[in-house]
Amino acid sequence: KAGVTQTPRYLIKTRGQQVTLSCSPISGHRSVSWYQQTPGQGLQFLFEYFSETQRNKGNFPGRFSGRQFSNSRSEMNVSTLELGDSALYLCASRGTVGLQETQYFGPGTRLLVL
Amino acid sequence: AQSVTQLDSHVSVSEGTPVLLRCNYSSSYSPSLFWYVQHPNKGLQLLLKYTSAATLVKGINGFEAEFKKSETSFHLTKPSAHMSDAAEYFCVVSDLTGGGADGLTFGKGTHLIIQP
Repeated sequence: KAGVTQTPRYLIKTRGQQVTLSCSPISGHRSVSWYQQTPGQGLQFLFEYFSETQRNKGNFPGRFSGRQFSNSRSEMNVSTLELGDSALYLCASRGTVGLQETQYFGPGTRLLVL
Repeated sequence: AQSVTQLDSHVSVSEGTPVLLRCNYSSSYSPSLFWYVQHPNKGLQLLLKYTSAATLVKGINGFEAEFKKSETSFHLTKPSAHMSDAAEYFCVVSDLTGGGADGLTFGKGTHLIIQP
């Protein structure tokens, strides 16, 4: 099975712009979660989508939004970019291995805001 | 609410010696616990997970962890370090089995350095 894929891998934007990141989960997985990783704050949960519905949301401003399509692919959008949004954005899809569910992470999209 | 504390931000060991990465957790319910590894410029890879079965959990690459409820700990160990083990390690807790709708709560990470 192919793993979780994220595009693009690297992105440079300027303050005030918006950005869209894409995540394709492992085939058959219906849950996609997004995380932000920064040196100062570590890994923080953004939101989770399941069957095209946002199931839960972390403590991030409304500039951060997402959606999920019928094929389970997910996009994350950040509007009005700020310097502090520079981070590695990780996507994870969740599926069942044996009797237990496990999250599998993609390689991430590294966003630099100038 | 759940939280996780990784007691060491950096650990340095010599190749061939044992590795111990410490993790303490706090959880309102019966937690699921995970260790993930992140190599430079890579995503996160699951090393092992505990979900209320055996308290000693064996993972990939020779790593294992022991769940100790009385100590609220889930330390990661490996008998003999290899140069390829150099990476960032994250201890993760979830209150829902499998890391459910609340998302995962990550520790700050421990940077493992392997000396030749």
